[in-house]
Amino acid sequence: GNSVTQMEGPVTLSEEAFLTINCTYTATGYPSLFWYVQYPGEGLQLLLKATKADDKGSNKGFEATYRKETTSFHLEKGSVQVSDSAVYFCALRDSGYSTLTFGKGTMLLVSP
Amino acid sequence: NAGVTQTPKFQVLKTGQSMTLQCAQDMNHNSMYWYRQDPGMGLRLIYYSASEGTTDKGEVPNGYNVSRLNKREFSLRLESAAPSQTSVYFCASSGPGQGTDTQYFGPGTRLTVL
Repeated sequence: GNSVTQMEGPVTLSEEAFLTINCTYTATGYPSLFWYVQYPGEGLQLLLKATKADDKGSNKGFEATYRKETTSFHLEKGSVQVSDSAVYFCALRDSGYSTLTFGKGTMLLVSP
Repeated sequence: NAGVTQTPKFQVLKTGQSMTLQCAQDMNHNSMYWYRQDPGMGLRLIYYSASEGTTDKGEVPNGYNVSRLNKREFSLRLESAAPSQTSVYFCASSGPGQGTDTQYFGPGTRLTVL
C-alpha cells in the first residue's frame, strides 16, 4: 500500500535559518506529491505540489523537488520567519485515485 | 465564496450520545472527504464521496456513517460516541473532475467524548 514518512518534530530554528523537512514515500503507481501547512487552530492548506518526476513545486519561498529515484519530496526554505511556525504535512495521491495519503506531520517552531 | 464550512466548531458528548457533523462547500466540487486528526497520527481518512450519490470507506470508517446530501453537503454521523472518537475532524473537497489534485479543507470540528 501507499505510505508517507516524514521526519519527526518539532524542528526548532532561529529566524533566517535554513529549513529542510524530509519526506519519503511508497506508492504502487505514479503519484502526485504535496506539502500542506496547518497554522495553529486552522485547517490544512496546500503549500505546493508536484505531479511528475523532477518537477519542482514552489510557493512563498518554500520548494520541494519530486525525486523518483530516491522516492523523496523534501521541503526546503532558505530563510524561515516566525510566521512560518506551523505543522507541515507531506502527502501523496496515487495515480487513478482521488484520496490522499498523509504523513504524520512535522511541527516547525521558529524563534526571533 | 466561503470555501469549505463546518459546523459545529466545538462539541462535547457523553459516551453513547449521537451527533452529526455538517460540512458544505461552495466551489462546485465533485469529491468530498472526512478526516480525523489525532496527535502523532497525522490525518486519517474516514469516508469519502467521489461524486454525488456515492460514498466509500477510508482507512478508519468504524463507528461512523456518512451522507452525501447533495453536491454541496457531506455529513458525518456518530451513532454512539466513544471516547476513542475524541479527535479533530476535518472536511475537505476537491474537483471538479474526479481525481483532481488539490483538496481544500474546512476549519475543523474539535470533538471531545467523555
